[in-house]
Amino acid sequence: EAGVAQSPRYKIIEKRQSVAFWCNPISGHATLYWYQQILGQGPKLLIQFQNNGVVDDSQLPKDRFSAERLKGVDSTLKIQPAKLEDSAVYLCASMAAGAETQYFGPGTRLLVL
Amino acid sequence: KQEVTQIPAALSVPEGENLVLNCSFTDSAIYNLQWFRQDPGKGLTSLLLIQSSQREQTSGRLNASLDKSSGRSTLYIAASQPGDSATYLCAVFQGAQKLVFGQGTRLTINP
Repeated sequence: EAGVAQSPRYKIIEKRQSVAFWCNPISGHATLYWYQQILGQGPKLLIQFQNNGVVDDSQLPKDRFSAERLKGVDSTLKIQPAKLEDSAVYLCASMAAGAETQYFGPGTRLLVL
Repeated sequence: KQEVTQIPAALSVPEGENLVLNCSFTDSAIYNLQWFRQDPGKGLTSLLLIQSSQREQTSGRLNASLDKSSGRSTLYIAASQPGDSATYLCAVFQGAQKLVFGQGTRLTINP
């Protein structure tokens, strides 16, 4: 079974630029999560989708971050414009309906200069 | 609001030693608690999941305990090996299928 795929793996941008990350969850997984992990900290939930609907985006900085999950499968997370403090690893995870274990992708490491 | 704390933030021990990592949480209304491993540049791998009704779970050299009433969990690693070097994250699973993570313990096993 293929795992959660993310791209790109690394991205370096200058502040005020925009960037987009892509996630392909495990086939059939209804729930998809985006987390932000700042160096030395645990992952923090940004947004949670159930199929293509948003369940929780309370910690998503909506003035600069946006996310979508078209057709309930792949998802993209966008930052526009980026700030220095957005430098972090962005992790995508998915979970099957009724399950209790999330499966994580390798993450995208973002550096904002 | 749930808060998860892990102590220590970093730990370095010689190979072969037994060790304990600690996790505490503020809200005992959890469905389960999970321990994850994170290697540099990689995602998270689930190690052990303890249901809220359970006291402990074991997998090989790993043993995780849960005391929900006191808001504590420990991860015990027996006979540590250099390959155990990684960051270990504790996370509690709450309503609406959410995980709340601690900040992790960075473990180094010295040969």
